[in-house]
Amino acid sequence: QSALTQPASVSGSPGQSITISCTGTRSDVGKYNYVSWYQQHPGKAPKVMIYDVSKRPSGVSNRFSGSKSGNTASLTISGLQAEDEADYYCSSYTNSSTLKMFGGGTKLTVL
Amino acid sequence: QVQLVQSGAEVKKPGASVKVSCMASGYTFTGYYMHWVRQAPGQGLEWMGRINPNSGDSNYVQKFQGRVTMTRDTSISTAYMELSRLRSDDTAIYYCVVDTGMDVWGQGTTVTVSS
Repeated sequence: QSALTQPASVSGSPGQSITISCTGTRSDVGKYNYVSWYQQHPGKAPKVMIYDVSKRPSGVSNRFSGSKSGNTASLTISGLQAEDEADYYCSSYTNSSTLKMFGGGTKLTVL
Repeated sequence: QVQLVQSGAEVKKPGASVKVSCMASGYTFTGYYMHWVRQAPGQGLEWMGRINPNSGDSNYVQKFQGRVTMTRDTSISTAYMELSRLRSDDTAIYYCVVDTGMDVWGQGTTVTVSS
């Protein structure tokens, strides 16, 4: 089964807002409210930034928000900061035998 | 707090097996699925499967069927992932991940397969 579809890269200037999309199907993103977003800095383990579509773990900045419409989930980062530069991955549960899948990842560059 | 501590880096020859451990603390080990995810160098994340630490039942991605075995030892709150018949393209960082409502990740274990 193909991975969820994310843009390979996005960029923005400090203070701006950016949105990363994660497109699946009605068998995964469209079916379940179990979309998560992860931030990964080079050489580090992924860190969950959003879970269950729009919930934010304790300690994660409220500049990070998540949403979903149909088969597409989105991560929005407002007030971009240099430290936000990282790779971002989405994940979703799926009703296939794979059970869980990831997006291909998006490299965020803060200009 | 929930914490997962994985075993150290491994270097293996093609055809060998590797067993990675993941010691859990800060929550009820048998209460939540343990997942395994890998990341090849410069690549994205790949979900491999999961184990129910309570029952020991596991689900694997089809591409790993027959080569991967996920087990656990509840007496020491530790999960294991064993991958056999290693190939060079199994070189990756392997992570354990517990989903207690939100994911918590281990620090990762680097497995290098090289002759």
